[in-house]
Amino acid sequence: DAKTTQPPSMDCAEGRAANLPCNHSTISGNEYVYWYRQIHSQGPQYIIHGLKNNETNEMASLIITEDRKSSTLILPHATLRDTAVYYCIVNSGGSNYKLTFGKGTLLTVNP
Amino acid sequence: GAVVSQHPSWVICKSGTSVKIECRSLDFQATTMFWYRQFPKQSLMLMATSNEGSKATYEQGVEKDKFLINHASLTLSTLTVTSAHPEDSSFYICSARGIGSPAGELFFGEGSRLTVL
Repeated sequence: DAKTTQPPSMDCAEGRAANLPCNHSTISGNEYVYWYRQIHSQGPQYIIHGLKNNETNEMASLIITEDRKSSTLILPHATLRDTAVYYCIVNSGGSNYKLTFGKGTLLTVNP
Repeated sequence: GAVVSQHPSWVICKSGTSVKIECRSLDFQATTMFWYRQFPKQSLMLMATSNEGSKATYEQGVEKDKFLINHASLTLSTLTVTSAHPEDSSFYICSARGIGSPAGELFFGEGSRLTVL
């Protein structure tokens, strides 16, 4: 699976949009982009995933560039409870759908 | 959303003893479960992949005789840390993929924190 690069940390003001970037320049055509987050001392939580098109659900929006080499996760109105480590993962959905977690981005939402 | 439950959420044991951690999918059937380990301030590290009714596949560097994984049913997988030592102290997290779920969409348990004295 392709490697991803994320900034180690970001800050965001409560109520503002949080835009978390992810670089996956070596992504191949059949690989999806997945986003998970992990709040301190809890198991990770699935957020969203996409292949080519932008996606939106009740939690977030995922914007994937046309060349698919990077993507941005958008939390439209960040709250204090969104403080977590956010992981961008690229996965081809191979035989066992293994997800390899990198270091992620620690998003801190400030009051 | 789908719920994955782990038990116990935390456990303290003496060095040399064995500890079993259970991972249950409460409202869906999981053909595949994954076990991760996470040390403080580090990311999750995949230990093994478990398919119902078959032997687990371990990642490189993970001792299969030390970390026994059993996936006897579509809703239960267990991880047994045998002859635990202080260096095995960690946060163990399981995840499950439901039948028909999109590739890569996994549901994670709350984690089990093991402390070996």
